[in-house]
Amino acid sequence: GAVVSQHPSWVICKSGTSVKIECRSLDFQATTMFWYRQFPKQSLMLMATSNEGSKATYEQGVEKDKFLINHASLTLSTLTVTSAHPEDSSFYICSARDLGTGNTEAFFGQGTRLTVV
Amino acid sequence: AQSVTQLGSHVSVSEGALVLLRCNYSSSVPPYLFWYVQYPNQGLQLLLKYTSAATLVKGINGFEAEFKKSETSFHLTKPSAHMSDAAEYFCAVSFGAQKLVFGQGTRLTINP
Repeated sequence: GAVVSQHPSWVICKSGTSVKIECRSLDFQATTMFWYRQFPKQSLMLMATSNEGSKATYEQGVEKDKFLINHASLTLSTLTVTSAHPEDSSFYICSARDLGTGNTEAFFGQGTRLTVV
Repeated sequence: AQSVTQLGSHVSVSEGALVLLRCNYSSSVPPYLFWYVQYPNQGLQLLLKYTSAATLVKGINGFEAEFKKSETSFHLTKPSAHMSDAAEYFCAVSFGAQKLVFGQGTRLTINP
């Protein structure tokens, strides 16, 4: 299957700083990428849908000014957590779909564990 | 709106026993259905998917699932559990290119 690479796999940052997480599709063009957040022992909650070359669509309750999403190319989407606070500590996962082939499957990155201290 | 319900947040079986993880969906039109597995601190790996073809879907690692429209179910089974099957399992639904909606997840524990 297709490969989605997410970086970094874990990061620790100080409260008030910003953190950028990258999501790359390595062997296909991802016209759409999705960003999820997962709290311990819970399911994945969709944060936003990222479309190449256009603004991301955020889910209700997700602060778009805090979670900046950029999808500048068909193989890269980034999520920046701005002015991070301890409550932003979580596991963030991206996924991508190769809609150009009509593939219904979503491929997931390895996830990024963010700890804000 | 579509939704997914996984019955049982935690399932425990003995090694070699049948694994049955339940998933029911809510939808007014035929959906696409997926089962994913997640190991600790990792992303999700697709086990199998239903996209309106055969109702009995075979996946990786010996798992299979059957789409039952009359019961709006897509339960995941494996005839004989292995220790390596211990993980978190998520059922998900989507319509074509739309976003995936995940169930709450079921933690599978395998007893030796």
